[in-house]
Amino acid sequence: AQSVTQLDSHVSVSEGTPVLLRCNYSSSYSPSLFWYVQHPNKGLQLLLKYTSAATLVKGINGFEAEFKKSETSFHLTKPSAHMSDAAEYFCVVSDNGLDKIIFGKGTRLHILP
Amino acid sequence: DTGVSQNPRHKITKRGQNVTFRCDPISEHNRLYWYRQTLGQGPEFLTYFQNEAQLEKSRLLSDRFSAERPKGSFSTLEIQRTEQGDSAMYLCASSLRQGGGYTFGSGTRLTVV
Repeated sequence: AQSVTQLDSHVSVSEGTPVLLRCNYSSSYSPSLFWYVQHPNKGLQLLLKYTSAATLVKGINGFEAEFKKSETSFHLTKPSAHMSDAAEYFCVVSDNGLDKIIFGKGTRLHILP
Repeated sequence: DTGVSQNPRHKITKRGQNVTFRCDPISEHNRLYWYRQTLGQGPEFLTYFQNEAQLEKSRLLSDRFSAERPKGSFSTLEIQRTEQGDSAMYLCASSLRQGGGYTFGSGTRLTVV
């Protein structure tokens, strides 16, 4: 069965410093992995996805994530945080043999001025 | 067609009433998904369609919930005899293929009073 664990419910960083949002997954098959962002009162927006190509995936707004099979991790990073990055971030897994996607509980990112 | 459209955006209803939500997916997407998101949680899978066929239903979907996708285009989600616990954001997403990117609508926020 597929599942995803976001290790931090809240992360606070200062503007201009690096961001690290942690995600571990469990999957019976070769997984597809995604990160979505949800700004207050806005819909879910796809940041990036991994689908068994390059293990380092670059997304929008300077975010990237690295798929590490040995660690079953798919952590999201950004070199320099911006105030506009403040939002809820969801790590998502989909088994390639199944259609539905499973969300983590989310990590709320706070950016300190 | 620029995205997934959900109507209404907000719905307030009295306990015991029936409600129906509509989702219009991206026109060329044959897969359509319904999710429910409560405050502070990640979206939870409810059901999905491939064309007009409903292929999977979560155990979260009690007998009071029914979803349809006639003709494989738009979909409706009906909740009968609403309860306060049904208050949530109901999200619709569509995708073109298995494991591909999922585009989410802005959601319908249901409040049961």
